[in-house]
Amino acid sequence: DQQVKQNSPSLSVQEGRISILNCDYTNSMFDYFLWYKKYPAEGPTFLISISSIKDKNEDGRFTVFLNKSAKHLSLHIVPSQPGDSAVYFCAATLADYKLSFGAGTTVTVRA
Amino acid sequence: DAGVTQSPTHLIKTRGQQVTLRCSPKSGHDTVSWYQQALGQGPQFIFQYYEEEERQRGNFPDRFSGHQFPNYSSELNVNALLLGDSALYLCASSPPITGLSNYGYTFGSGTRLTVV
Repeated sequence: DQQVKQNSPSLSVQEGRISILNCDYTNSMFDYFLWYKKYPAEGPTFLISISSIKDKNEDGRFTVFLNKSAKHLSLHIVPSQPGDSAVYFCAATLADYKLSFGAGTTVTVRA
Repeated sequence: DAGVTQSPTHLIKTRGQQVTLRCSPKSGHDTVSWYQQALGQGPQFIFQYYEEEERQRGNFPDRFSGHQFPNYSSELNVNALLLGDSALYLCASSPPITGLSNYGYTFGSGTRLTVV
């Protein structure tokens, strides 16, 4: 039962432009949403999170938006840099225990 | 400060065999979770250990079992290996109090298990 979905397996963006990654979820009880970034041969690293009581959270070049009515969240990266090329996972949690992950979106930033 | 350490990094096993994967949590962390990441998919939650007991379990068969030791390190055991068990196994640790932020989930680099 896939409760978190990332429908775009890949995204290619030019350096300096905006990257927008999307994520949909089905469980309205999720209380926290997170984005993780993963490089090859490394474990996922935490990027940014948002509580279900908020609709936006910013951290430097990264902004996460949450639309609870649509059960949708997105990650904006502005401006995109070559080091941002990685796999990005959307995740959600209920009561701070297990993380439910999407399948990931591979971002390629072109010079 | 060492993060989450997993061993071995790679492993090849034959169908039907048993395997043990190991995880040392980040210093100061007392909770350990295990995830399975199959090729092209996101990590799937296997189980979480806290105070040496399994606190929560995902949709994995009983062939998957674990253990947490008094020093908070953990093992993941898989019996009667199937070809479908081939995956990257990730360990994640978190500190005593994570609140609702999950900032404390730190992942290791994983163990790549190949079943032939």
